[in-house]
Amino acid sequence: DIQMTQSPSSLSASVGDRVTITCRASQSISRNLNWYQQKPGKAPKLLIYATSSLQSGVPSRFSGSGSGTDFTLTLSSLQPEDFATYYCQQTYRTPCSFGQGTKLEIK
Amino acid sequence: QVQLQESGPGLVKPSETLSLTCTVSGGSISTYYWSWIRQPPGKGLEWIGYIHYSGITRHNPSLKSRVTISVDTSNNQFSLKLSSVTAADTAVYYCARPDGELRYFDWTNWGQGTLVTVSS
Repeated sequence: DIQMTQSPSSLSASVGDRVTITCRASQSISRNLNWYQQKPGKAPKLLIYATSSLQSGVPSRFSGSGSGTDFTLTLSSLQPEDFATYYCQQTYRTPCSFGQGTKLEIK
Repeated sequence: QVQLQESGPGLVKPSETLSLTCTVSGGSISTYYWSWIRQPPGKGLEWIGYIHYSGITRHNPSLKSRVTISVDTSNNQFSLKLSSVTAADTAVYYCARPDGELRYFDWTNWGQGTLVTVSS
């Protein structure tokens, strides 16, 4: 199975900050990488698919980049509603697999 | 807008079989690949498996042969059975649908999730 490792595991930031979350795959996954946002007690929400494609309705302050084994999710200017946990997911090979999550907290 | 709703017992005894159903409304189950995903309390996400209305199924090998996923097109439902459960199977279980008919894992539609606790 492909292992996904996110860093950092947690992050404190302020409204308006620019934040980057990193995801590394244990082998090349081309650009088959998604990002989800999850708030407490809620189902995950797909933000970005195929590394950099923004899901419909997701604000443009979210962006993704990378290829191969290294990927990033960037939030250009944090809003209060962005404080949540973020997961990367590889869809290159079955079983799909997730990073352990990055909890973004208010500083 | 398609909606998904999980249902089933919230408490299962160790060694027994966990059974959940996902009811789909606002759209037909006769397209797409329909998945089950779970999340232990305070932990990350794990894909369990998917089914297509045609009967094609795949599941996560980490669950070995304990998983059975089936579909009932007449009732617009699909179901999960997980046998020989242990405390490690305690989790919130989600059903989900991807964004396109030929997509497997890009889930844009989710149920609200149901907590299943394995305990005697």
